[in-house]
Amino acid sequence: DADVTQTPRNRITKTGKRIMLECSQTKGHDRMYWYRQDPGLGLRLIYYSFDVKDINKGEISDGYSVSRQAQAKFSLSLESAIPNQTALYFCATSDPPGESSYNEQFFGPGTRLTVL
Amino acid sequence: SQQGEEDPQALSIQEGENATMNCSYKTSINNLQWYRQNSGRGLVHLILIRSNEREKHSGRLRVTLDTSKKSSSLLITASRAADTASYFCATDKQGGSEKLVFGKGTKLTVNP
Repeated sequence: DADVTQTPRNRITKTGKRIMLECSQTKGHDRMYWYRQDPGLGLRLIYYSFDVKDINKGEISDGYSVSRQAQAKFSLSLESAIPNQTALYFCATSDPPGESSYNEQFFGPGTRLTVL
Repeated sequence: SQQGEEDPQALSIQEGENATMNCSYKTSINNLQWYRQNSGRGLVHLILIRSNEREKHSGRLRVTLDTSKKSSSLLITASRAADTASYFCATDKQGGSEKLVFGKGTKLTVNP
């Protein structure tokens, strides 16, 4: 079974709708991230969480919100979707830097979101 | 804003040839990582090089880091069609909040 899973894998929605993307992990990592990927722009960080009680804005948080329901679950919401939020969304996890970790991230398979 | 910038944006080679991709970044770093992404799929961590290292190998991968020039290169030797993917560098900024900042990627095509 995959260590980092995302649901749904594909979603088509309409402008103004509320959308939730979910991420679950079995790696036991404290840190979780949400990124979006647009063609030619690489990955941009939306929100990140270093533990259950810690939520931080990333580079492009406007129009998004998150919820860290448990160590293993991190959800991304689009309160009122707009067409320029059409993108590929990735969840990732990591351990904090330490003796055996240097902040390598482990990615889910992605959610392709289309907002019409 | 992007910390790392990969060069070239796209690279097309024949199977068996070596592929070299470069990454430049702007600020001092703790480490630099390379990731691979097959079309439309999640990124996979390939190799990490720490700021006090100059070269690292893993199988057919060789990574170099020049902190004076703020640049890194990823060499894939004896490439295979299965190496076709996009490759991203990511930097962990020194004194930062331990977030990774990704570049825009190099799209590598290995022709059989």
